[in-house]
Parts: sequence; C-alpha cells; structure tokens
Amino acid sequence: DQQVKQNSPSLSVQEGRISILNCDYTNSMFDYFLWYKKYPAEGPTFLISISSIKDKNEDGRFTVFLNKSAKHLSLHIVPSQPGDSAVYFCAASASNSGYALNFGKGTSLLVTP
Amino acid sequence: EAGVVQSPRYKIIEKKQPVAFWCNPISGHNTLYWYRQNLGQGPELLIRYENEEAVDDSQLPKDRFSAERLKGVDSTLKIQPAELGDSAVYLCASSHTRAPGGYTFGSGTRLTVV
Repeated sequence: DQQVKQNSPSLSVQEGRISILNCDYTNSMFDYFLWYKKYPAEGPTFLISISSIKDKNEDGRFTVFLNKSAKHLSLHIVPSQPGDSAVYFCAASASNSGYALNFGKGTSLLVTP
Repeated sequence: EAGVVQSPRYKIIEKKQPVAFWCNPISGHNTLYWYRQNLGQGPELLIRYENEEAVDDSQLPKDRFSAERLKGVDSTLKIQPAELGDSAVYLCASSHTRAPGGYTFGSGTRLTVV
C-alpha cells in the first residue's frame, strides 16, 4: 500500500508565482521527510528535507512545511522559474528502517514564462 | 567527486533472458540501495546494503532477482529470467551509513523487456 501520497499528478504555474506541491503520509513512524527533483533520463536529486521535530525548513526559494498532526507536508517554491520544471517526489523515512526512502508517485511541475 | 555510476544506461532484452546492472557508489558511502521505478510511479526499494551485508531485501523478488555487493563497494543486480513486467528504471543510490537525506542517486538503467 502507498504510504506516501502525492495526489496531484501535475501542476502548472506562471513564472514568478508560487508553486505549492503537496504530500500526505500514513505511517506515523516516519521521522524524516525529503523532496527530490527529477529531470528526464536522470536520477532524482535531493532538494530539501525536514526532520519531524521541526515544522518548517527553508533553503533559498524552497520551503518545506510539515504538519505532523495532519500527516501532511508541502513544498513551496517562490518565485517559480522555468528551470524548476521537473517531476518532484516526496519521500519519507523512518530511523528504525535504516532511513530507506518511501516515495510518492511524483508531481510534474511546469513553470511557464 | 564522482557521483554514483551505473551501467548500462539502457538495456533491451527479450523475455526469459538474463540481465545484470552494475553500480559504483560514491567513495566512502557504506550504504547502498537498489530501487526500481515503474512508469508513472515513484522509486521503490528493492534492497539495502550496509557495507557488504544485505540488511533489507524484503522487497526483492527472490525467485528471479539477486544482488551482491562484494567487498562492500560496487554492486550488481541481476534478473534471471526477465519478464515483461520487469521493464522499469533501476536506480542505485548510496549514502553514509544511516544518514537521512544523504542519498545520492545514479542516473539509472532503463530496462525494456520485449
């Protein structure tokens, strides 16, 4: 069963606006959450992460928010740029499983000029 | 620093044939993972190594899949015999032992079984 869910397969945003990608999880043992970005024919590359003891982590244009009570996290990209167009995967891991990653199905983001 | 190197990048084989994928992790990374990504899905873990020991292979279809990581460095994933449903991208990743977020993925091997 899918423990990490990304319910929006695709998202289109205008350049300069905010992109918000959402992710839900079901396993309460997850204690570390990550976002990966993937271009075609390349492996996923790490973007940003957050520990379960925090509710927000910011890195430049990227901010991840975690709502543990709702088992929900989101990635905000501000401002969005055309180079951000890619597939974004949400992933979650648990320390008791060696931090193996459980991925969502991904959201394809298209940033239009 | 060289990244995670995988070969081949692409492989097309007929069903029932064997196939092998190779991965060379980042130097010093003790943990190595093999993931499989089906079309339209996120990557799914097949096996995790800590040095040369397979510590989690619960998702590896052991009737046809095998893996090894001799000397705790590079690794090989094998499928024998391949089935049509094995068509996917096979990703290798490495990290420092038990380091969350420290994964580096290779570019993957795209397998097509015809």
